[in-house]
Amino acid sequence: EADIYQTPRYLVIGTGKKITLECSQTMGHDKMYWYQQDPGMELHLIHYSYGVNSTEKGDLSSESTVSRIRTEHFPLTLESARPSHTSQYLCASSGGQGGTDTQYFGPGTRLTVL
Amino acid sequence: AQTVTQSQPEMSVQEAETVTLSCTYDTSESNYYLFWYKQPPSRQMILVIRQEAYKQQNATENRFSVNFQKAAKSFSLKISDSQLGDTAMYFCAFLIQGAQKLVFGQGTRLTINP
Repeated sequence: EADIYQTPRYLVIGTGKKITLECSQTMGHDKMYWYQQDPGMELHLIHYSYGVNSTEKGDLSSESTVSRIRTEHFPLTLESARPSHTSQYLCASSGGQGGTDTQYFGPGTRLTVL
Repeated sequence: AQTVTQSQPEMSVQEAETVTLSCTYDTSESNYYLFWYKQPPSRQMILVIRQEAYKQQNATENRFSVNFQKAAKSFSLKISDSQLGDTAMYFCAFLIQGAQKLVFGQGTRLTINP
């Protein structure tokens, strides 16, 4: 079944740790996105990718980095987590052959940095 | 810059009632898409309905319909025969055709009471 997956769903980690949030999709989409969302608030785009080896920063400044080595995989990395990184991170994808601009979202990773 | 405004932070109705969520947006573009997304508590963001700006006909999906007023830059969502499962945050979102940045409103927290 075509879907978009994120792991872990919840992560509690100490300050200074390096973390990678995983995002994979089997939708056949070429474009992928990372959004940051504080509880009950709107989403802000932090990274996006048009395809393999293509990554761009979004409007919201973020200390995270992303990579796109495979079409279906778009991981996000924080080299040194801080309490200010506590938030929910949502991955989305769109496009692909015969696809549209509609973005479809994964279940999210809720990150807490102590 | 494009902006999306949802003026109703919270709404509450009884089950089976009809409810309308408001959304206005600001853009100078002529080709764009509008979306309503639903985010149930601690669950995945899902697409409710999508509208292409060039289409005059309002989109409908079962109990969900929109009132798209292009000149007024208004895009409201009507939920008919509301159900307990409709309880969620609802986000209005805007996307310029061919662009990657999905601009979200602040969200409306909708509660359906039994």
